[in-house]
Amino acid sequence: AQSVAQPEDQVNVAEGNPLTVKCTYSVSGNPYLFWYVQYPNRGLQFLLKYITGDNLVKGSYGFEAEFNKSQTSFHLKKPSALVSDSALYFCAVRGGYQKVTFGTGTKLQVIP
Amino acid sequence: DSGVTQTPKHLITATGQRVTLRCSPRSGDLSVYWYQQSLDQGLQFLIQYYNGEERAKGNILERFSAQQFPDLHSELNLSSLELGDSALYFCASGDRATGELFFGEGSRLTVL
Repeated sequence: AQSVAQPEDQVNVAEGNPLTVKCTYSVSGNPYLFWYVQYPNRGLQFLLKYITGDNLVKGSYGFEAEFNKSQTSFHLKKPSALVSDSALYFCAVRGGYQKVTFGTGTKLQVIP
Repeated sequence: DSGVTQTPKHLITATGQRVTLRCSPRSGDLSVYWYQQSLDQGLQFLIQYYNGEERAKGNILERFSAQQFPDLHSELNLSSLELGDSALYFCASGDRATGELFFGEGSRLTVL
């Protein structure tokens, strides 16, 4: 069975500082990995994905994620956090039959 | 705009009642996913359809059912509603090639 773990319910970071939101996964075969962001009372929006190729993936709004196969991790990063980045972030993995499993989400709070 | 349409946006009903939530996927997408998001909880996968057939089942209660029609729209039926069913219900459609999910804005169900 495939699964995603986001070990932190909340991450607090000062504006301008780098941020990391952690994600580890378990899936059979080659993973398709995703990050989504959710603003209050809105649907999820796609940020970035890893399918194959370079382990460092760049996405929307200056976010990037690093795929690490040996650690089965796909951490989300941004060099300099903005207050407007405050939101709920979900990591997801796609496995067989295109089933997509999401983590429990991490609330990012960027402090001015 | 993700291209995924969900109706109704808001729904208030009483315990014991039955409701139907509707989802129209993005043009060209064959997969439809249903998720439930309750307060303080992550995204719970309910069920997935691909081109009219059920592909994967998650934590969907027996009181809930879904189907995908020949025109690819999907409906999620919730019956014998309980207070705990109050939640945001999201539909998403999946890109066949990349697996990226496109989310609707959700249907907010309130059971009184």
